[in-house]
Amino acid sequence: NAGVTQTPKFQVLKTGQSMTLQCAQDMNHNSMYWYRQDPGMGLRLIYYSASEGTTDKGEVPNGYNVSRLNKREFSLRLESAAPSQTSVYFCASSEGQAQAYGYTFGSGTRLTVV
Amino acid sequence: QQQVKQSPQSLIVQKGGISIINCAYENTAFDYFPWYQQFPGKGPALLIAIRPDVSEKKEGRFTISFNKSAKQFSLHIMDSQPGDSATYFCAAFFGNEKLTFGTGTRLTIIP
Repeated sequence: NAGVTQTPKFQVLKTGQSMTLQCAQDMNHNSMYWYRQDPGMGLRLIYYSASEGTTDKGEVPNGYNVSRLNKREFSLRLESAAPSQTSVYFCASSEGQAQAYGYTFGSGTRLTVV
Repeated sequence: QQQVKQSPQSLIVQKGGISIINCAYENTAFDYFPWYQQFPGKGPALLIAIRPDVSEKKEGRFTISFNKSAKQFSLHIMDSQPGDSATYFCAAFFGNEKLTFGTGTRLTIIP
């Protein structure tokens, strides 16, 4: 029972490079989320997908794009990485937006932009 | 905007003591208040949650106290153990919105 799987676990990028963070869940959850975690800032929502085929901006969407590839997979893309995007990124899923108690998080991707 | 304010940012408690983390919220529409626990290198995991129609919820050594009139809620960890050392996040939620998290508290339990 894998839950939410994120790849890669670690990544170092040069300013201006692009990359895609991958997330997959095997719990048949409808909703998926991308958060970033920074010291003293808590967890801030970047983008979310309430269901397959829909995506919406969260609190800090600038510099990011997302794709809900199917019900299982939700990817986060950095088109032109900036040092301000150095962070730990978490993907999460839940049965539905109203099911907050069902949030399951992945183990995170630690991204450093130099 | 910070809709859920959490304090303290860090906390050191001796083994066997009581750890207390406080949160305050602004939006009276919030109707569900979970706490998440995060160990180093891991994602947050749901620890305990409460709805505003009760003033307290206890699960083992973990207790949430809720004060609706003051718009405050807190997590109490009784008989704190070194294994409780982690970062704790309070959160709030209503309707079909998303979870709003506090800024986190790094708890260290010393022997």
